[in-house]
Amino acid sequence: GIQVEQSPPDLILQEGANSTLRCNFSDSVNNLQWFHQNPWGQLINLFYIPSGTKQNGRLSATTVATERYSLLYISSSQTTDSGVYFCAVYSGGGADGLTFGKGTHLIIQP
Amino acid sequence: SQTIHQWPATLVQPVGSPLSLECTVEGTSNPNLYWYRQAAGRGLQLLFYSIGIDQISSEVPQNLSASRPQDRQFILSSKKLLLSDSGFYLCAWTEVSSYNEQFFGPGTRLTVL
Repeated sequence: GIQVEQSPPDLILQEGANSTLRCNFSDSVNNLQWFHQNPWGQLINLFYIPSGTKQNGRLSATTVATERYSLLYISSSQTTDSGVYFCAVYSGGGADGLTFGKGTHLIIQP
Repeated sequence: SQTIHQWPATLVQPVGSPLSLECTVEGTSNPNLYWYRQAAGRGLQLLFYSIGIDQISSEVPQNLSASRPQDRQFILSSKKLLLSDSGFYLCAWTEVSSYNEQFFGPGTRLTVL
């Protein structure tokens, strides 16, 4: 099945810093999503982005489908940005659900 | 707008006891429904998915089963829980196809003692 790798696994930043999270996948995808898991475990949808670039406030994402990677940018980090960020993909073959990466654990210090 | 509910929110069960977790979706018809499990705070694993009433596919052989008795209801069950069944269980839905954006419920945290 498709493999999803996220980097870095852990990231500690000061408030106000910018960060880039990366997601590499091993095959072509029909769906790619970025999620933020808050301290209570809730998965918050950030972007649905199988290709192209999207922006939502301080967050933006780019997926280059032909090169099999996606990037999540967080600018001017706030402590509320802390948590785990997951990339998940659907390749359309085999399992009919999302395949998740292991996540990036982001800690924003005040 | 669509909403997804899961209950209970937390559950502590002894080894060997039965399990029933429920998920319901409001505001949509004929959704695809999914059960995922997250262990050790990292990475979600797809357990079951359903494209319609009584149509269930299993992705991972395990001690669990799923049922979909109504269009917008998805149930995760076990006859006898194992310690290894502990984890965070999340239900999700998409509109019609897995090509579409997937939305998750609040989850159930299960501890088996």
